[in-house]
Amino acid sequence: EDQVTQSPEALRLQEGESSSLNCSYTVSGLRGLFWYRQDPGKGPEFLFTLYSAGEEKEKERLKATLTKKESFLHITAPKPEDSATYLCAVQARRGAQKLVFGQGTRLTINP
Amino acid sequence: DTGVSQDPRHKITKRGQNVTFRCDPISEHNRLYWYRQTLGQGPEFLTYFQNEAQLEKSRLLSDRFSAERPKGSFSTLEIQRTEQGDSAMYLCASSLALDQRLGEQFFGPGTRLTVL
Repeated sequence: EDQVTQSPEALRLQEGESSSLNCSYTVSGLRGLFWYRQDPGKGPEFLFTLYSAGEEKEKERLKATLTKKESFLHITAPKPEDSATYLCAVQARRGAQKLVFGQGTRLTINP
Repeated sequence: DTGVSQDPRHKITKRGQNVTFRCDPISEHNRLYWYRQTLGQGPEFLTYFQNEAQLEKSRLLSDRFSAERPKGSFSTLEIQRTEQGDSAMYLCASSLALDQRLGEQFFGPGTRLTVL
């Protein structure tokens, strides 16, 4: 069964303090790995898609990387507005269209 | 606004009542998905449509749940005889997928259901 585990569950940083969020996955043939941001009471907001090991994508202070077993979301010099829950999801290659999500990492950036 | 929209945003109902939610996808998107999210968890897949055809359903989708997408446009999710365990955020997403190529899923704001 496809499975996604994110760590840590919660992370509190000071403004400007860089860190990384981890997403470990077990899937029968990875078709794509997705990162989303979710603010309280809102739907997930799409950030990145990664397709193969070694791939990297960047957007402002965020960079996502992918290996054969895990993905990292690196946050460089975060600001308070980066506070949110970050969700990782995988899509299997065997034809299913659904996303399998992890439980998320709740990130808080203190000013 | 050309994003995914959902209605209502909040619904409070009593146990045993039926509820129906509506989702309007991004206009050119041919795929539509329903997910359910409980507090502190990631979204869980319920079902998906390609155009008007319902192609996949999760084991989570009991007989009390039914989804439709008439004419391949908006979709409705109905829950009959609601139970307290149905309380959750119901999320709709849509994507544009050509052939078997991957399409990113874009989510709506969700409908928060509270069953008393």
